[in-house]
Amino acid sequence: DIQMTQSPSSVSASVGDRVTITCRASQGISSWLAWYQQKPGKAPKLLIHAASSLQSGAPSRFSGSGSGTDFTLTISSLQPEDFATYYCQQLNSFPLTFGGGTKVEIK
Amino acid sequence: EVQLLESGGGLVQPGGSLRLSCAASGFTFNTYAMTWVRQAPGKGLEWVSAISGNAANTYFADSVKGRFTISRDNSKSTLFLQMSSLRADDTAIYYCARATSGTKSPADYWGQGTLVTVSS
Repeated sequence: DIQMTQSPSSVSASVGDRVTITCRASQGISSWLAWYQQKPGKAPKLLIHAASSLQSGAPSRFSGSGSGTDFTLTISSLQPEDFATYYCQQLNSFPLTFGGGTKVEIK
Repeated sequence: EVQLLESGGGLVQPGGSLRLSCAASGFTFNTYAMTWVRQAPGKGLEWVSAISGNAANTYFADSVKGRFTISRDNSKSTLFLQMSSLRADDTAIYYCARATSGTKSPADYWGQGTLVTVSS
């Protein structure tokens, strides 16, 4: 199975900050990676697919990059509604594993 | 509008069985793969299972293989997860979600989730 490791597990940031979250795969997954946002008590929301493609409806301040084993999710200017937990998921092979999550908290 | 509505969750004893349903609307159900994802209380997301649009192909996480079965009734736009030999560590919110295309694709629409509690 492919293991997905996210870092950091939590980050404290202020509105307007640039935030970067990293996801590392235990083996190469090309660009088969998605990013989700989850707020407390809610279902996850798809933000990025194919490592760098912005999902329809997701704000343009979110961007993704990377291929192979190392990936990043960047929020260019953190907004109040962005405080949430973010997950990566590999879609290269079954089982389709998620990373452990990164909680973005208010500083 | 795409809608996914899970049902069937509840309290079950260890070793018991439960069947979850997910009623879909707002899209052509049989043209999309579907997936189940769960989240234990206070924990992260865990992919559970996926099924192709025509139900020909199914996939499972190692943690549920041999105990869970995924199926779908395309005539009723409904997805199912049959869970048996349930254990305490199966306790979670179970989400059904629509895959953007095939079984190895991200989930673009999610239900609100149904809580399964395995406890004596």
